[in-house]
Amino acid sequence: AQSVTQPDIHITVSEGASLELRCNYSYGATPYLFWYVQSPGQGLQLLLKYFSGDTLVQGIKGFEAEFKRSQSSFNLRKPSVHWSDAAEYFCAVGPYTGNQFYFGTGTSLTVIP
Amino acid sequence: EAGVAQSPRYKIIEKRQSVAFWCNPISGHATLYWYQQILGQGPKLLIQFQNNGVVDDSQLPKDRFSAERLKGVDSTLKIQPAKLEDSAVYLCASSLGGGTGQGLAKNIQYFGAGTRLSVL
Repeated sequence: AQSVTQPDIHITVSEGASLELRCNYSYGATPYLFWYVQSPGQGLQLLLKYFSGDTLVQGIKGFEAEFKRSQSSFNLRKPSVHWSDAAEYFCAVGPYTGNQFYFGTGTSLTVIP
Repeated sequence: EAGVAQSPRYKIIEKRQSVAFWCNPISGHATLYWYQQILGQGPKLLIQFQNNGVVDDSQLPKDRFSAERLKGVDSTLKIQPAKLEDSAVYLCASSLGGGTGQGLAKNIQYFGAGTRLSVL
């Protein structure tokens, strides 16, 4: 069965510190992977995606993620967090064809000055 | 380019009442999705349309939820009668759809701001 696990429900980091949000997936076929961000009262905004090729993908707002097939992981990273990065982050996995997405339960990020 | 539009942004109703949400997808997007996002959880797909046809409604509680996309553009999601556990944010998303291989980017979903429903 397809599933996405985000082990960290909530993370607090200091502004300027580095960030890593974890995502593990279970999928029976070749997945394509996404990270979305959701600010309070807003919809989900796509940060980055992985379809194939280079396993290190760059996204918007200075985020990057690395696909590790052997670990079934797609962790999100940012070298220096800004206060405006405080939000809810969702990892999602989808099929190589078709449109069905499966979302994780999200990681809430708090940034302290 | 205009994004996915949803209305209303907020709705408060009492249990057993009915409610409807509206979604206007990005122009030219053939695929439309309705998600339910309960507080503290990730979005869960309720129904997926390809043009005006239903592709997947396996997780739609059909005894109380209904959705339509009559002309293959706008869509409405209705709940009748509402229960307390329906309190959630209802998200609409759209994509070009039909992407395979090098065209997978067509399947990227773009989300609206959602409708927050509170059932009292």
